[in-house]
Amino acid sequence: DAGITQSPRYKITETGRQVTLMCHQTWSHSYMFWYRQDLGHGLRLIYYSAAADITDKGEVPDGYVVSRSKTENFPLTLESATRSQTSVYFCASSGTSGEQTQYFGPGTRLLVL
Amino acid sequence: RKEVEQDPGPFNVPEGATVAFNCTYSNSASQSFFWYRQDCRKEPKLLMSVYSSGNEDGRFTAQLNRASQYISLLIRDSKLSDSATYLCVVNRISGTYKYIFGTGTRLKVLA
Repeated sequence: DAGITQSPRYKITETGRQVTLMCHQTWSHSYMFWYRQDLGHGLRLIYYSAAADITDKGEVPDGYVVSRSKTENFPLTLESATRSQTSVYFCASSGTSGEQTQYFGPGTRLLVL
Repeated sequence: RKEVEQDPGPFNVPEGATVAFNCTYSNSASQSFFWYRQDCRKEPKLLMSVYSSGNEDGRFTAQLNRASQYISLLIRDSKLSDSATYLCVVNRISGTYKYIFGTGTRLKVLA
């Protein structure tokens, strides 16, 4: 019972590089989400997806790109990483309704030098 | 003003104590409410949903006050293992999806 997994768990990269964070869930949940968590801001929604091929912006989408070609995968790409994107990134999923409980992956700690 | 606000704490309480946290929200269109727990350097996990009539799960009691726009979490007989950050979550779906997390209240239960 893998649930929801994220990879890599830790990543160090340099400014200007492209980075892709992976998220995979085994529950066939419709909704998937990407958050970043920073001190003083709590969790902030970057992008979400209500189903395969349907994505929408959250609160802080600038500098990020997502896709969802398969229900179980929801990768997040930083097209040109900046230091301000140093953060902990959490992926989450929830069932058929966006109001349902969200289940989080273990997080990816990203450091941009 | 933030849409969801919590006292960051930390709340330092002795084992066995009762402690309560409040969380205020600004948007009256908010539809559902949750408390999540987050341990240090771990992912948030659902602690409990908050229902209009109030609900209890063992030592934990959650309440919603729509008129004053706040939710509360009461923890009775605190255990060392309750030490964590408690996140308030407010959800509304009107146009853009909104699942707003508070910044969390940190609880330390002391032996």
